[in-house]
Amino acid sequence: AQSVTQLGSHVSVSEGALVLLRCNYSSSVPPYLFWYVQYPNQGLQLLLKYTSAATLVKGINGFEAEFKKSETSFHLTKPSAHMSDAAEYFCAVSPNQAGTALIFGKGTTLSVSS
Amino acid sequence: NAGVTQTPKFRVLKTGQSMTLLCAQDMNHEYMYWYRQDPGMGLRLIHYSVGEGTTAKGEVPDGYNVSRLKKQNFLLGLESAAPSQTSVYFCASSPGTSVKTQYFGPGTRLLVL
Repeated sequence: AQSVTQLGSHVSVSEGALVLLRCNYSSSVPPYLFWYVQYPNQGLQLLLKYTSAATLVKGINGFEAEFKKSETSFHLTKPSAHMSDAAEYFCAVSPNQAGTALIFGKGTTLSVSS
Repeated sequence: NAGVTQTPKFRVLKTGQSMTLLCAQDMNHEYMYWYRQDPGMGLRLIHYSVGEGTTAKGEVPDGYNVSRLKKQNFLLGLESAAPSQTSVYFCASSPGTSVKTQYFGPGTRLLVL
């Protein structure tokens, strides 16, 4: 069965610092991988997705993630944090079947201090 | 396009009461999903539908029922609410083809007393 592990339920950074949110997945077949962001009292918004086209995926708001098969990882990064990046971030994996529901990690809350 | 909308945004129920949560999407998506979000648990799938008239159980289906009578609507019902069903409920939809991205609604906060 596929699963997702997000290391660290809470990450705190200073404004301007590097953001690194960790995600490891378990899958017996090449997966589709996603990062979603949830701002307070809102739904989930897609940040980026990996669909095997390129290992380095660029998303919205300056975020990017790199798929590393050897490490079964899909970590999310942003070179310079903004206050507006404070939110909860979810990594998700999709089994390689159309329409199957996403399997989510438990989420990482990002705090950004000035 | 409104995308995915959910009604109501917030509801308080007493134990044993029933209610229906409505999800609507205007993107002509084939697949729809209901998740619940609880602190520290991420999102867990309750039920999903791969097309009009079809539904299937997810990870945590007990205490919930669903219906997909129209392609654009996916209803989640609680027949006899319990405090353990206090949660935030999210509906999502996806095209259901090779595009696996799911699009989420704004959520419904449910408090069961």
